[in-house]
Amino acid sequence: DTEVTQTPKHLVMGMTNKKSLKCEQHMGHRAMYWYKQKAKKPPELMFVYSYEKLSINESVPSRFSPECPNSSLLNLHLHALQPEDSALYLCASSQDHPGMRITEAFFGQGTRLTVV
Amino acid sequence: AQKVTQAQTEISVVEKEDVTLDCVYETRDTTYYLFWYKQPPSGELVFLIRRNSFDEQNEISGRYSWNFQKSTSSFNFTITASQVVDSAVYFCALSEEQSGGSYIPTFGRGTSLIVHP
Repeated sequence: DTEVTQTPKHLVMGMTNKKSLKCEQHMGHRAMYWYKQKAKKPPELMFVYSYEKLSINESVPSRFSPECPNSSLLNLHLHALQPEDSALYLCASSQDHPGMRITEAFFGQGTRLTVV
Repeated sequence: AQKVTQAQTEISVVEKEDVTLDCVYETRDTTYYLFWYKQPPSGELVFLIRRNSFDEQNEISGRYSWNFQKSTSSFNFTITASQVVDSAVYFCALSEEQSGGSYIPTFGRGTSLIVHP
């Protein structure tokens, strides 16, 4: 099973709403990532969790709040978003550990978010 | 400074033509990893290949081949006899060691490949 599953696939939310994006993997990977991708742009890293601990936060606004409840799950809680936050949000996981051989990052299909 | 440069924004070819997607990277590390991903219109990023900095062997997988040259810091991707299903955005990515020992992929801007029937 080399799958990263993201739900929902599409989400439309108002600027006052609170919603969550979910990501799940069962490959035993201990690094999980959130990326944001605007149209015709490359994915941009938002957060990295390593062994369920937040290891990298790329200066993301606090209206985005990540959570890693266990090694298989990664959530992204959304609150008071702006229309410019509309984008494709991609989750990924990989097996890389400090000092160990890296493997590729496996990506989910993404959640296409529209903020109205 | 951009670490991964994909100079070709868009390439348009006719089916059965060969096409090469260029990727030039920049790093000071001796250990690093290079990747190619495909992103079809559905949005998912599909892993195609990984190369580490110590392995300069070229690779062929079916109609796909990759040419890794450290001397020119390039990792080019060739599709032979292109097909309409190859139409997608292709991203080259570089992973360097971050503080804490993790390797995080950084993506180039992507090349949009359009294959016409």
